[in-house]
Amino acid sequence: AQSVSQHNHHVILSEAASLELGCNYSYGGTVNLFWYVQYPGQHLQLLLKYFSGDPLVKGIKGFEAEFIKSKFSFNLRKPSVQWSDTAEYFCAVYSSASKIIFGSGTRLSIRP
Amino acid sequence: NAGVTQTPKFQVLKTGQSMTLQCAQDMNHNSMYWYRQDPGMGLRLIYYSASEGTTDKGEVPNGYNVSRLNKREFSLRLESAAPSQTSVYFCASSEAGTGKLEAFFGQGTRLTVV
Repeated sequence: AQSVSQHNHHVILSEAASLELGCNYSYGGTVNLFWYVQYPGQHLQLLLKYFSGDPLVKGIKGFEAEFIKSKFSFNLRKPSVQWSDTAEYFCAVYSSASKIIFGSGTRLSIRP
Repeated sequence: NAGVTQTPKFQVLKTGQSMTLQCAQDMNHNSMYWYRQDPGMGLRLIYYSASEGTTDKGEVPNGYNVSRLNKREFSLRLESAAPSQTSVYFCASSEAGTGKLEAFFGQGTRLTVV
């Protein structure tokens, strides 16, 4: 069965620090990968997506992610975080069974 | 453009009561999903519908039923609510086709079963 693992449950950073959140998936076929963000009290919004082509994907708000097929990874990065990036971040994979499966999420707290 | 609309936003049920969560999308999407969100567990797929007329079980279907009423609407029913079903429920929809598969989410329904 497809699965998504996010090993960092809670990350605490200071403003201007660099961010990398890990995501690993288990699915042998063609994958479509996503990162979503959920701000406190809100629903999930798409940050970025990977379908094919350039493995380095740029999204909104300065976020980017790199797809590394050999490592089954799709890590999220941002060079310099802001207090407004405080949120929960979810990695997700779309499988050929028309399902979108999410990881358990990483809560990001930014110290002003 | 409303996107994905869920009703109600909040609900309190007593153990054993039934209720239906409603979801409608106006983006002409083929696929629709129901997820539950619990602290530390992310979003878990309850049921999904790849296209009008089809439904399939997700990761945690027990205690739930769904109906894909038409292309726009996908409802989730709890026949006999249990405290373990206290959660935030999200409906989502997505298009088919490469490059369009991301899910768009509703605002969520916060359900408490006492």
